[in-house]
Amino acid sequence: EVQLVESGGGLVQPGGSLRLSCAASGFTFSNYAMSWVRQAPGKGLEWVSTLSSSGDNTYYADSVKGRFTISRDNSKNTLFLQMNSLRAEDTAVYYCAKNVKDFDYWGQGTLVTVSS
Amino acid sequence: DVVMTQSPLSLPVTLGQSASISCRSSRSPVHSDGNTYLNWFQQRPGQSPRRLIYKVSNRDSGVPDRFSGSGSGTDFTLKISRVEAEDVGVYYCMQGTHWPPTFGQGTRVEIK
Repeated sequence: EVQLVESGGGLVQPGGSLRLSCAASGFTFSNYAMSWVRQAPGKGLEWVSTLSSSGDNTYYADSVKGRFTISRDNSKNTLFLQMNSLRAEDTAVYYCAKNVKDFDYWGQGTLVTVSS
Repeated sequence: DVVMTQSPLSLPVTLGQSASISCRSSRSPVHSDGNTYLNWFQQRPGQSPRRLIYKVSNRDSGVPDRFSGSGSGTDFTLKISRVEAEDVGVYYCMQGTHWPPTFGQGTRVEIK
């Protein structure tokens, strides 16, 4: 059974940093691209970032480019999202999702709140 | 970016009746590999999204056959036959063909 478990969310002040993790199991992690998708309170879904299976290719939404960094540790089946220079508009539930063209599995999400 | 436009945004439905959600893409989601990466997701209240339909019309494992996807070109439809109480939630279409992946605004399905 595929499982994706996010962690690392919390309350952070504007300008601060946070590192999210996504622990994967139930599939061969190193064979798949992985993505982060976020959902602001009461809003829709917004793709944030994708990392290729090898880790060589990264993709970012314009809204986070230069501030967020996606990475992975294939030896530990874990996906990361380093978030710097956080803004109020980054407040959202962050989901990790398997694949990129079709997001076939999602985690339960972790809430990031940016507020003073 | 490819804009995905859903209608209606709110859909009250009587239990046992059918419901249809439309999704229009600003650009054809046919990929150069021949596949059409048009997907549908369900988000029940308080839950994370769950994929229902992939590549226009393929149902995911465990998805009731009351759910069906169809369409071509730039117009796609999710149909729910015989709506049940557990179908309440928000439904999103999404294209994964063109960068970046983009979602529709969501359609809220509620029981009348």
